[in-house]
Amino acid sequence: QQQVKQSPQSLIVQKGGIPIINCAYENTAFDYFPWYQQFPGKGPALLIAIRPDVSEKKEGRFTISFNKSAKQFSLHIMDSQPGDSATYFCAATSGSYNTDKLIFGTGTRLQVFP
Amino acid sequence: AAGVIQSPRHLIKEKRETATLKCYPIPRHDTVYWYQQGPGQDPQFLISFYEKMQSDKGSIPDRFSAQQFSDYHSELNMSSLELGDSALYFCASSFGSYNEQFFGPGTRLTVL
Repeated sequence: QQQVKQSPQSLIVQKGGIPIINCAYENTAFDYFPWYQQFPGKGPALLIAIRPDVSEKKEGRFTISFNKSAKQFSLHIMDSQPGDSATYFCAATSGSYNTDKLIFGTGTRLQVFP
Repeated sequence: AAGVIQSPRHLIKEKRETATLKCYPIPRHDTVYWYQQGPGQDPQFLISFYEKMQSDKGSIPDRFSAQQFSDYHSELNMSSLELGDSALYFCASSFGSYNEQFFGPGTRLTVL
């Protein structure tokens, strides 16, 4: 049972486009939602993260939108570049002591063409 | 900036052999997590340590054990290796629990 559902599985955009990746969760105990970028054979790199007390967070070209009532959050990549081609994982954790393991979505493979 | 260090980066073992993976967290980080990532899969949590004590346990086989040492580095010991253990193994570290987790480059384990 996937606790964090991520879509789409893959995404193809042209340079300059705005890919959007969506995630949904059921566990209302989750209260920290990071996004990771992973290149083939490399470790996941933390991109941006949000907590449920805000509805949007922006860092550079990356924006997270968070809808607490719908239990959904999404990643927007502005002015996408070929170098953004990677697999993106959303994740969630409860933040409680001793239970802060990351629960990952299934990943979205993004390809940005010039 | 210093990152998480993992060694070895690649490891090839035969079935039923043992393997030891090492993780050196970012300086001052006191919490270490281990994740396993199969081909085309998302990382799956194995086990974590905070201040040298096991803090949480996920879907880690009984054949695997881990510990965190006084210098905060951690080792994942894997015995009676099976073909299905072939995967990327990531270590992540954070300062305290409930903070950003930073991942290492991973160890690619291949079991033949």
